[in-house]
Amino acid sequence: AQTVTQSQPEMSVQEAETVTLSCTYDTSESDYYLFWYKQPPSRQMILVIRQEAYKQQNATENRFSVNFQKAAKSFSLKISDSQLGDAAMYFCAYGRPFGNEKLTFGTGTRLTIIP
Amino acid sequence: DAGITQSPRHKVTETGTPVTLRCHQTENHRYMYWYRQDPGHGLRLIHYSYGVKDTDKGEVSDGYSVSRSKTEDFLLTLESATSSQTSVYFCAISAGGGSGANVLTFGAGSRLTVL
Repeated sequence: AQTVTQSQPEMSVQEAETVTLSCTYDTSESDYYLFWYKQPPSRQMILVIRQEAYKQQNATENRFSVNFQKAAKSFSLKISDSQLGDAAMYFCAYGRPFGNEKLTFGTGTRLTIIP
Repeated sequence: DAGITQSPRHKVTETGTPVTLRCHQTENHRYMYWYRQDPGHGLRLIHYSYGVKDTDKGEVSDGYSVSRSKTEDFLLTLESATSSQTSVYFCAISAGGGSGANVLTFGAGSRLTVL
């Protein structure tokens, strides 16, 4: 079974600084998708970014970017110019296409933004 | 929560009582999921559905059953609630395939407390 590991239960960053959240995963497949979801205090799960494993280029969404290292099975999220609204739990997730679309999630990293 | 609603949003019940959580979608998506969220465990898949009357177990299915008699509704039932089932339950949907592969949209969550 696939596993997703987030080794940083908590992290903090100064407002306007850059922070990187780590994620590793274990799979024997070559075709898959990776995700970062954000869960603010409202509890709503929000998709931040999605990476397709067959794409070499790292995905970016405004201030959010990933460092996808397929050989190392690593998928980190970089948040630039951190804002107070970025404070949340961040979950890394893995999924395979054509496999009922379900996702396997990591245990999450709680990010605190220091004003 | 556009397109996906969960009910009830909060429920307190006693050990041994049956509980049903409802997930309703207006997106006509094929795939529906029930996850539970617990501290230190992230989100874990309970059951999922890939079509009307087509369901399968996830990694933590013991003590839960599901039904999907219509595309838009996915019910999660705890036949006899236990304190270990105290959790936040999330429903999610996915259209599947192509650029939307594995992209899950989540409901707002249902907090269940079993006394």
